[in-house]
Amino acid sequence: EAQVTQNPRYLITVTGKKLTVTCSQNMNHEYMSWYRQDPGLGLRQIYYSMNVEVTDKGDVPEGYKVSRKEKRNFPLILESPSPNQTSLYFCASSFGLGFGYTFGSGTRLTVV
Amino acid sequence: GENVEQHPSTLSVQEGDSAVIKCTYSDSASNYFPWYKQELGKGPQLIIDIRSNVGEKKDQRIAVTLNKTAKHFSLHITETQPEDSAVYFCAHKPAGNMLTFGGGTRLMVKP
Repeated sequence: EAQVTQNPRYLITVTGKKLTVTCSQNMNHEYMSWYRQDPGLGLRQIYYSMNVEVTDKGDVPEGYKVSRKEKRNFPLILESPSPNQTSLYFCASSFGLGFGYTFGSGTRLTVV
Repeated sequence: GENVEQHPSTLSVQEGDSAVIKCTYSDSASNYFPWYKQELGKGPQLIIDIRSNVGEKKDQRIAVTLNKTAKHFSLHITETQPEDSAVYFCAHKPAGNMLTFGGGTRLMVKP
């Protein structure tokens, strides 16, 4: 089944403790992206990647890192999480910018 | 990215009625306009999209219309059913840029 898989689905952590949210797609998509979803703010892009070893900042990149060492994987790294990063995170992939995205099921992160 | 305004933010309709959600954008070079449906506890799912070279596209009970002159596009759902209840997001792709999403519309279909 064609899908984007995120892990974990739920995560509670403490301020300052490094964490990684994994994202993997099995559709051979070139383009991958991370979004955060907050009430009243819709979907805001954090980082995106056009291909392996090519990443760029979205609208809200502060406090996040990403890497794209393989085509199928695009992990999101929070080096020192803070409470304002408590949010619902989605990974998405597509064949390219002008095509529809396939979203993962989301990761609900709480930073206390 | 370039903003896209989405209205209304909430919409309540009676089962069987039609629902219309409208989005406006500012970049005249935008050329791709998808709509996503997000059910509770799930990620957004693409339900229909339209490119700038057509004015309307239909898929069963859903349709999207695009008015490039006025820079707005709309989602139309006819004969609504309770399972249509969800949050709907419009998006557009400005020239040389990534998809930008609207703020979302919570649609409630009352049985």
